[in-house]
Amino acid sequence: NAGVTQTPKFRVLKTGQSMTLLCAQDMNHEYMYWYRQDPGMGLRLIHYSVGEGTTAKGEVPDGYNVSRLKKQNFLLGLESAAPSQTSVYFCASSYWVRTGGQPQHFGDGTRLSIL
Amino acid sequence: SQKIEQNSEALNIQEGKTATLTCNYTNYSPAYLQWYRQDPGRGPVFLLLIRENEKEKRKERLKVTFDTTLKQSLFHITASQPADSATYLCALGVGNTGKLIFGQGTTLQVKP
Repeated sequence: NAGVTQTPKFRVLKTGQSMTLLCAQDMNHEYMYWYRQDPGMGLRLIHYSVGEGTTAKGEVPDGYNVSRLKKQNFLLGLESAAPSQTSVYFCASSYWVRTGGQPQHFGDGTRLSIL
Repeated sequence: SQKIEQNSEALNIQEGKTATLTCNYTNYSPAYLQWYRQDPGRGPVFLLLIRENEKEKRKERLKVTFDTTLKQSLFHITASQPADSATYLCALGVGNTGKLIFGQGTTLQVKP
């Protein structure tokens, strides 16, 4: 099993360009999440999905859009990239149980620089 | 305001000693708390989960405590090894959506 796979691993964009980050998981997890990680800030939740066809905003959703057309894939889009979006982006997935608390499985990140 | 804090300074210890990392939070009522390990250039990896009605959890050389009165979790690594050197993240679980609120992490360096 590959677990959680993120593509691309690195990308450099110019301000105003758009791009899509892809996350794929092969563990049949219901929940998927997009985070960004900045020095000294910890991981911050951008958007998440509790199932195919559903998405919700996290802590820092502005400037990003997401889609979950298939259960195994979760896409993160930047419509008009800004330097403030320079960061490392992590995708994660987890099972759902009523009591919560399932471990999240992370990919190895996409390092994005906006010039 | 809501806050979750981990030791901001790196923790340096000698091999064989016990490392103790702290996670404090304010204005949250977490149902559970998780600890993750993150190596440079990699994603976080889950280590342990402890629920609000549990005081302590153990897994091999790892031990986690959870004090909801003090609003604090302690993470211990006994008989530490250089391979334990990494950044350790605590994360609060609130609600039942699976969402986690992460601390900024503490970097542990174990010297031989």
